[in-house]
Amino acid sequence: NAGVTQTPKFQVLKTGQSMTLQCAQDMNHNSMYWYRQDPGMGLRLIYYSASEGTTDKGEVPNGYNVSRLNKREFSLRLESAAPSQTSVYFCASSPEGSYGYTFGSGTRLTVV
Amino acid sequence: KQEVTQIPAALSVPEGENLVLNCSFTDSAIYNLQWFRQDPGKGLTSLLLIQSSQREQTSGRLNASLDKSSGRSTLYIAASQPGDSATYLCAVRGQTGANNLFFGTGTRLTVIP
Repeated sequence: NAGVTQTPKFQVLKTGQSMTLQCAQDMNHNSMYWYRQDPGMGLRLIYYSASEGTTDKGEVPNGYNVSRLNKREFSLRLESAAPSQTSVYFCASSPEGSYGYTFGSGTRLTVV
Repeated sequence: KQEVTQIPAALSVPEGENLVLNCSFTDSAIYNLQWFRQDPGKGLTSLLLIQSSQREQTSGRLNASLDKSSGRSTLYIAASQPGDSATYLCAVRGQTGANNLFFGTGTRLTVIP
């Protein structure tokens, strides 16, 4: 089925460990996004990529890096995980213009 | 900056009741408005997308309206069912820039059998 695929679905890290969250879409969308969702805070944008080869910071980029590997894939890396990064992470994509967003099923990350 | 508000934050209704969820936004310069459903521990499922030129969209028992000039949208759910229990989020897409999707904090709906 067409959509946004995120891996892994669950992850537990120790403080200071690194990891990469993977995201891929097969809808030929130009734009891709990484959000985090925390209780009471709603969805907050971490980084986005308006097109292949470009990335920009969102509202809460500190502690994260991203790579737009190609048009399909957009990864989010935590270089040195901290307990404050415990959250649910969502990847999304959209075409240009007045179209809706499609979200992945999320990665639930716990940093201990 | 666009601000999106959803009221109420939580709502409980008996099964079979019709209900309305509200969403308001501060900047009327939008491309579209999207309603999502989120089940506990799950991702966001798109329910309805209304373009800025449209007044409403319907899908099954769901009807979403948009009044861009007043900065309001409603999601009407007819004949509610326990399976409708979830959090409903509205998101507004602005007209400028790529970082232009603004979310409300959601309404948590519980339908009581």
